[in-house]
Amino acid sequence: TQLLEQSPQFLSIQEGENLTVYCNSSSVFSSLQWYRQEPGEGPVLLVTVVTGGEVKKLKRLTFQFGDARKDSSLHITAAQTGDTGLYLCAGVTFNDYKLSFGAGTTVTVRA
Amino acid sequence: EAGVAQSPRYKIIEKRQSVAFWCNPISGHATLYWYQQILGQGPKLLIQFQNNGVVDDSQLPKDRFSAERLKGVDSTLKIQPAKLEDSAVYLCASSLSGAANEKLFFGSGTQLSVL
Repeated sequence: TQLLEQSPQFLSIQEGENLTVYCNSSSVFSSLQWYRQEPGEGPVLLVTVVTGGEVKKLKRLTFQFGDARKDSSLHITAAQTGDTGLYLCAGVTFNDYKLSFGAGTTVTVRA
Repeated sequence: EAGVAQSPRYKIIEKRQSVAFWCNPISGHATLYWYQQILGQGPKLLIQFQNNGVVDDSQLPKDRFSAERLKGVDSTLKIQPAKLEDSAVYLCASSLSGAANEKLFFGSGTQLSVL
């Protein structure tokens, strides 16, 4: 059983559309990170959120950490083909302070 | 700034053979991680080094996997003997100090196929 459940598993959209991917858990996290992984490459950190209810914006990407610190979402506005990749969330729990990854959401943006 | 270097990029072996992967972290990074990423899954931590000491190897299958980080710099991960289920991408990552929410810098990985 994954500590972090990501949904949807796959998402295919047209360039210019918006999308949201989700990361959920029954555990409480001290912090949560989002990474993007392109084919044949390692994950690259996009953002770290540490405060419940926190919203961070990175150009067209908006990250939200749930008030209860159990969930997070990533919203992309006006998606571009360069946004294609595997989006991974990773969280650190208060139990063991270890970083655990979700299985990821594969996003494909079609031209 | 040079990133995390890994080699080889690809490796194909038969089951029961042995294989080794190499990683050179970012200069000055104290912490080095080896992750296994099976297709369709997120990375799973195999082992974490702080300098040349092991911090966490709780998910390393120690009957067949071994890793070392001599002199606290580069590292090798070995599998002997390999099984079919070891087919995966093996990612090396490094971070400055090893704090739990610290940014990890990943290499491009080694894709292992066990036939």
